[in-house]
Order: sequence, then C-alpha cells, then structure tokens
Amino acid sequence: QSVLTQPPSVSAAPGQKVTISCSGSSSNIGNNYVSWYQQLPGTAPKLLIYDNNKRPSGIPDRFSGSKSGTSAALGITGLQTGDEADYYCGTWDNSLTAVVFGGGTKLTVL
Amino acid sequence: QITLKESGPTLVKPTQTLTLTCTFSGFSLSTSGVAVAWIRQPPGKALEWLALIYWDDDKRYSPALKSRLTITKDTSKDQVVLTMTNMDPMDTGTYYCAHRPYYGGKAWFDPWGQGTLVSVSS
Repeated sequence: QSVLTQPPSVSAAPGQKVTISCSGSSSNIGNNYVSWYQQLPGTAPKLLIYDNNKRPSGIPDRFSGSKSGTSAALGITGLQTGDEADYYCGTWDNSLTAVVFGGGTKLTVL
Repeated sequence: QITLKESGPTLVKPTQTLTLTCTFSGFSLSTSGVAVAWIRQPPGKALEWLALIYWDDDKRYSPALKSRLTITKDTSKDQVVLTMTNMDPMDTGTYYCAHRPYYGGKAWFDPWGQGTLVSVSS
C-alpha cells in the first residue's frame, strides 16, 4: 500500500487532455514539493515535473503539474500514442523521514 | 551530461547479502546539496525508495528496510554502494540509482540509471 494514492489507470483519446491525481497528507504533499515521473515500457523512470510545477529542459509544455493542499496533479494535453506509460508521483514525508512514491497510474491513449 | 549506471549480481540466493554499485559521472557527490538515491521496482509493481546519501555523508533509509540496508559513497571513485542483507525472493526486482540535484525540493531525481535486474532464488 503506497503512502501516496494514484488512480491505477486513466485513458483518453489522442489529442485530448488527461489529469492524473496524487493524494497524500500534511506530512508529505501538504508540506513538501511534488515530482512526477514517466516510465515507458521497459525503461527507467524519467523526470517530468519537479517542485510541483517546474519542467526540466527538454520536457514539452504539454506536461504540467499543480498542487493544492494535500493533493497534486499531472496534466497532459495533446495526447499522443507515445505518451502511453506508467506515471508516478513522489515527494518527501516528514513523519517517515523518507521519500515516498505513489502506486503509479497506467495511461492508455485509445 | 549526468549519467549513472548500476552494477552487481543478477542472481543471489536467499539469505545472502546483495551489494550494488552505482557509478556516476557529470557531477560530484562533494557538491553541497547533491545526493544519490537507490530505488527499486518489483516486476509489474510500483517504485519503492530504499536509501539516500547526501554530499555531507548524511544518510536516510526506508523505515521498512532500514535494518537491512547500508549506503556508502566513495567520492574519489564517483561511486555509491548499497548493501542489502538477508535477501528474500520478495526482493526480486529492478534496482535503480538516481541523482538528486543540489537545488529544489528534497525528493526529486534526475536522471536515473538504466537499472539492474536482481533475482533472488535458490
């Protein structure tokens, strides 16, 4: 059971927008920055978003991050078949003194 | 350009100790704020953070695995080593090391190594 809660799967059509949620508590998301990772099949995770809403260089602006209270969200617009992957949120937990990840969300682009 | 690469055994027996090495380039683990993490992923399952070592040799461990883990660094070799004792088949999975930059929040990692698959079986 992961400390951060994500929906197991989401789906949308090419060109559409999807939002992936990540729910936590005051000991983690509520008081720390959130990061998001994309894991394409058979590959290592890749950073998409850090510090809630910042994109590393090379990440297209189709990907966006937001945070409100103890929840965070990853938005992806203009969906492409190449976006089919598993997506993970992560943050620090002050109570556990540990890095925590969500259980992952599988994105299907129909 | 920052790169990291994991190395170690692909197969260990139950009760044995696993030793994994992360060899990196493009940054120094002597730079204030920098850290390196180990993260694993059982087949078909989610990411699980294991340990983190900071530039000043401060260390953090997963509470669930703390008694079995040791993380060390060799700055002169640009390496971070993770040992995990008393290996069990449930520890089978891909083990990643990852770079935590000196700026920003506490828990974001970029880039990650390619990962190394470790199987635990007799």
